[in-house]
Amino acid sequence: GAVVSQHPSWVICKSGTSVKIECRSLDFQATTMFWYRQFPKQSLMLMATSNEGSKATYEQGVEKDKFLINHASLTLSTLTVTSAHPEDSSFYICSARPDAASTDTQYFGPGTRLTVL
Amino acid sequence: EDQVTQSPEALRLQEGESSSLNCSYTVSGLRGLFWYRQDPGKGPEFLFTLYSAGEEKEKERLKATLTKKESFLHITAPKPEDSATYLCAVQAYGGSQGNLIFGKGTKLSVKP
Repeated sequence: GAVVSQHPSWVICKSGTSVKIECRSLDFQATTMFWYRQFPKQSLMLMATSNEGSKATYEQGVEKDKFLINHASLTLSTLTVTSAHPEDSSFYICSARPDAASTDTQYFGPGTRLTVL
Repeated sequence: EDQVTQSPEALRLQEGESSSLNCSYTVSGLRGLFWYRQDPGKGPEFLFTLYSAGEEKEKERLKATLTKKESFLHITAPKPEDSATYLCAVQAYGGSQGNLIFGKGTKLSVKP
């Protein structure tokens, strides 16, 4: 149980284009999902908290107009990197917290490797 | 400021050589401490959640313990397949919802 998927697993795009990453909870519902970013040999940094039916909450320093988040249902959140630039190249990982669970445990997806040329 | 420090940064063990990984934390109020395993190019895999000092949890060769200042992940008779980066994260009361503060991890290598 508690499986989270991400699509695509990797993507290469040209500078200036937009890229959408999907995060799905496969066997549970999640009102709240999270988006993280991880640079090589660094730990995970929270970018934003995604809430179904309401606006996402962004961490300090994260541009909300550049990283668009849509939490369309209780099992799907999407992250769109708009007008991507090489400095946006990174490993993006989502997580989800089951609504039915009595704990705050977050379950992570396999990650999406974004390379911007 | 809430902070998580993991040590050592890297650990090399022979198969069967037991050891411990440390996670020291400073938070205004601990809501939960989490251990994850991360393989290269993959997302973190959940291992344990600990909530109060004195709590212990076990899973196969892994055992996690918690005190008021730190947590240990004990690995008993490790196997090569235990090689991975082990991440510790804390959640504090009063922080933004669900905000996990991660340490930089301990990269474990187990040689046959």
